[in-house]
Amino acid sequence: GAVVSQHPSWVICKSGTSVKIECRSLDFQATTMFWYRQFPKQSLMLMATSNEGSKATYEQGVEKDKFLINHASLTLSTLTVTSAHPEDSSFYICSASDGLNYEQYFGPGTRLTVT
Amino acid sequence: KNEVEQSPQNLTAQEGEFITINCSYSVGISALHWLQQHPGGGIVSLFMLSSGKKKHGRLIATINIQEKHSSLHITASHPRDSAVYICAVRWAGNTDKLIFGTGTRLQVFP
Repeated sequence: GAVVSQHPSWVICKSGTSVKIECRSLDFQATTMFWYRQFPKQSLMLMATSNEGSKATYEQGVEKDKFLINHASLTLSTLTVTSAHPEDSSFYICSASDGLNYEQYFGPGTRLTVT
Repeated sequence: KNEVEQSPQNLTAQEGEFITINCSYSVGISALHWLQQHPGGGIVSLFMLSSGKKKHGRLIATINIQEKHSSLHITASHPRDSAVYICAVRWAGNTDKLIFGTGTRLQVFP
C-alpha cells in the first residue's frame, strides 16, 4: 500500500515552454503533498507544501509564479514549471502524507531537461 | 553547520560486511526517517522512528533522542544494497516539513 506515482518520469522541453508534472497517491488520500527538487549528488530541497483545496506554501527563494502548484483533489497534485529555462533542469520528486502519522510516501521522481 | 549531518559521505564495502551509517541532528524532533535512493532516483522509506530500535530484514535503525543521534545498520551487505541512504528529521515544532541530511553513498562490491 501507500504508493505514489509521478508522470512523466522524464521530460525534455525547449526553453520558454511550460511543463506539467503530476503526482498521484494511488491507494490513499493525501491531505498534504510536498514537492522537492534535487540537483545531482545533492540532497532534496523542499520547494513547497500543498494541502488539498488550498494554496500551496512555498519555501523561501522559490518563485511561486514560476512553479505553479495545484492540489485539486485528495489524490492529485500538479507542479507546472512555467517559461522553463535550462537552469530549471533538475530531478523533481513529490511525496504525500495521509495525515494519520508522520510518514511521507515518495514518488519515483521526474527528470526535467530544458534545452 | 547543517542541522542534519550524516557520516560517512561515501562508503565502500565488500559483500557480507556489516555497515553502519550515522546521523546527527541539532534540533528537537518528532520523528526521524531513513530513506534509500537508488541510482534511478526513486526514494523508498526504510524506517520512521521516534525512539528505540526498529528492524526489517537485514536493516536495523536505532535512535538516541537524548544524544540526538541515529544509526542505520545493514547486516550481511549485498551489492543490491548499493544506494544513497538519506536521514531526514521532522522538527518537533512542525508536523510537516522534513530536514534532510546530505546522504551517504554506499557501494557494495561482490
